[in-house]
Amino acid sequence: DADVTQTPRNRITKTGKRIMLECSQTKGHDRMYWYRQDPGLGLRLIYYSFDVKDINKGEISDGYSVSRQAQAKFSLSLESAIPNQTALYFCATSDRFSSAGGLYEQFFGPGTRLTVL
Amino acid sequence: RKEVEQDPGPFNVPEGATVAFNCTYSNSASQSFFWYRQDCRKEPKLLMSVYSSGNEDGRFTAQLNRASQYISLLIRDSKLSDSATYLCVVNKFVSWGKLQFGAGTQVVVTP
Repeated sequence: DADVTQTPRNRITKTGKRIMLECSQTKGHDRMYWYRQDPGLGLRLIYYSFDVKDINKGEISDGYSVSRQAQAKFSLSLESAIPNQTALYFCATSDRFSSAGGLYEQFFGPGTRLTVL
Repeated sequence: RKEVEQDPGPFNVPEGATVAFNCTYSNSASQSFFWYRQDCRKEPKLLMSVYSSGNEDGRFTAQLNRASQYISLLIRDSKLSDSATYLCVVNKFVSWGKLQFGAGTQVVVTP
């Protein structure tokens, strides 16, 4: 089973609808992140959470909100979806300690492809 | 100006050949550096960290040039399975994982 899972994997919705993307992890990591990826742009950080009580805005948080329901779950909501939120969304996790593979390696979920019409 | 810039490619490479590409970063205070690999429509995965002295992992060699603020990745004896987009990733801090991602360099290895 995958260590970081995201649901749904694909979603088509209409402008103005509320959407929730969910992320779960079994890696036991404290830190979780939400990114979006657009063609020609690098992954951009939307929100991040270092533990259940610590949630922070990233570089592009406007129009998004998050909820850290438990150490293993981190949800991203679009309160009123708009077409320019069409993108590939990734959840990621990292440990609070550095790993052998690299300092604070981030592990990504498979992504959610969201289309807002 | 983007914080992390990469040539988007594609770099078309015959199987068995060597390919190299760079990434530049704007923040001289950046502390740690990585290459991630992303297959089409899949999640990014860590390929290797980049250390000051340069480092090698099998057919992959990464170099860091702090003076000129760039990192490089070289792939020797390219395999078809090396076809992917390579993301340059920079971290301003040593102690936590807020990463800056480049848009990626696409490599296409041809038979």
